[in-house]
Amino acid sequence: GENVEQHPSTLSVQEGDSAVIKCTYSDSASNYFPWYKQELGKRPQLIIDIRSNVGEKKDQRIAVTLNKTAKHFSLHITETQPEDSAVYFCAATFEGGGADGLTFGKGTHLIIQP
Amino acid sequence: DTEVTQTPKHLVMGMTNKKSLKCEQHMGHRAMYWYKQKAKKPPELMFVYSYEKLSINESVPSRFSPECPNSSLLNLHLHALQPEDSALYLCASRDPGGPSYEQYFGPGTRLTVT
Repeated sequence: GENVEQHPSTLSVQEGDSAVIKCTYSDSASNYFPWYKQELGKRPQLIIDIRSNVGEKKDQRIAVTLNKTAKHFSLHITETQPEDSAVYFCAATFEGGGADGLTFGKGTHLIIQP
Repeated sequence: DTEVTQTPKHLVMGMTNKKSLKCEQHMGHRAMYWYKQKAKKPPELMFVYSYEKLSINESVPSRFSPECPNSSLLNLHLHALQPEDSALYLCASRDPGGPSYEQYFGPGTRLTVT
């Protein structure tokens, strides 16, 4: 099955600086890579996702890059704000028209220092 | 309606009790999922239903019994649980035939087994 590694486990950055979280996956068949943000006591919320036929995707301050050859993908958050503080999970799965579940990384606790 | 709802929000049960968790969505999604999330850990896939049929069971103990009575409802029946089963149980759904691969998560049921 799929295995997703995520680093770092904790990331502390100054407000306004950029944050980068990295993930690697093991199954070369995986073709969908979402990133979820989870605040304490709340549900995971999708913040951005990327499919394997795309190398990069951007949505305002958030971007994701994918390197299929190396089997790794990264989340980039620019101009960080206090409300970005949360746990971020990367995930991977093969979506082939069926309904496969997500395999999550262990999470990164992002702390934005004011 | 773009929301997944779960009831109850909190549940405390003894090891000899039988209880059920309920998940509902009215987005027309034909894939529904149960995940288990322990504190400070990522969600772990338990079951996947595709078009009301169980398609994935991630070797979950038989004390957890899923049921999908119709395309909007997903239940998780609990019996003879152990204290280590205490966790947040998340339901998710997605449209397996649609253009988006996004899984929409419910708020979860926080289960405590005493």
